[in-house]
Amino acid sequence: GAGVSQSPSNKVTEKGKDVELRCDPISGHTALYWYRQSLGQGLEFLIYFQGNSAPDKSGLPSDRFSAERTGGSVSTLTIQRTQQEDSAVYLCASSFSQNTGELFFGEGSRLTVL
Amino acid sequence: AQSVTQPDIHITVSEGASLELRCNYSYGATPYLFWYVQSPGQGLQLLLKYFSGDTLVQGIKGFEAEFKRSQSSFNLRKPSVHWSDAAEYFCAVGADMRFGAGTRLTVKP
Repeated sequence: GAGVSQSPSNKVTEKGKDVELRCDPISGHTALYWYRQSLGQGLEFLIYFQGNSAPDKSGLPSDRFSAERTGGSVSTLTIQRTQQEDSAVYLCASSFSQNTGELFFGEGSRLTVL
Repeated sequence: AQSVTQPDIHITVSEGASLELRCNYSYGATPYLFWYVQSPGQGLQLLLKYFSGDTLVQGIKGFEAEFKRSQSSFNLRKPSVHWSDAAEYFCAVGADMRFGAGTRLTVKP
């Protein structure tokens, strides 16, 4: 597709369950970012990938959160043993390179933990 | 560690009035600086960016921002606000794109 694609767009889960959120970046974009946006809050940086370099995981809030990027393209954010405070919109963005500055955002995955 | 501060959580201006949204950063070197806008129900869109050179940068939708190294600031301005400018505005810094908490702009008729 032409833009960043995220799935699912909405996910409702029970506390304690694991969830996987998927991001398909724009073809050719080497940089990929994950953010979390809670209601009324800003964009909380989670993790970013740049090419084949080791990802910057410094924003992951706990060891329940992990992310992978396979083949330099699709990325999956996994949240294990979900908690109610994990409820948020998870945004993925990609960029042609780390230094161009223009991020292209997906529409987000809204996660609700009951 | 780099960080971005947007001191104003919410700003209300009248349509036609001027606007300035504040952004302060903490960074070890001259940073890359950005402003993004998130309109209701829409994704984030880049307004403008600063990498180097002229410290006054022009963006889309009539916005501009000025980089002031001495004040560690990158404030966003617009001379005359339109009702369609009501949105959430985010400042971001660095190659790893750390965002501020955002400023919500309300425009009064």
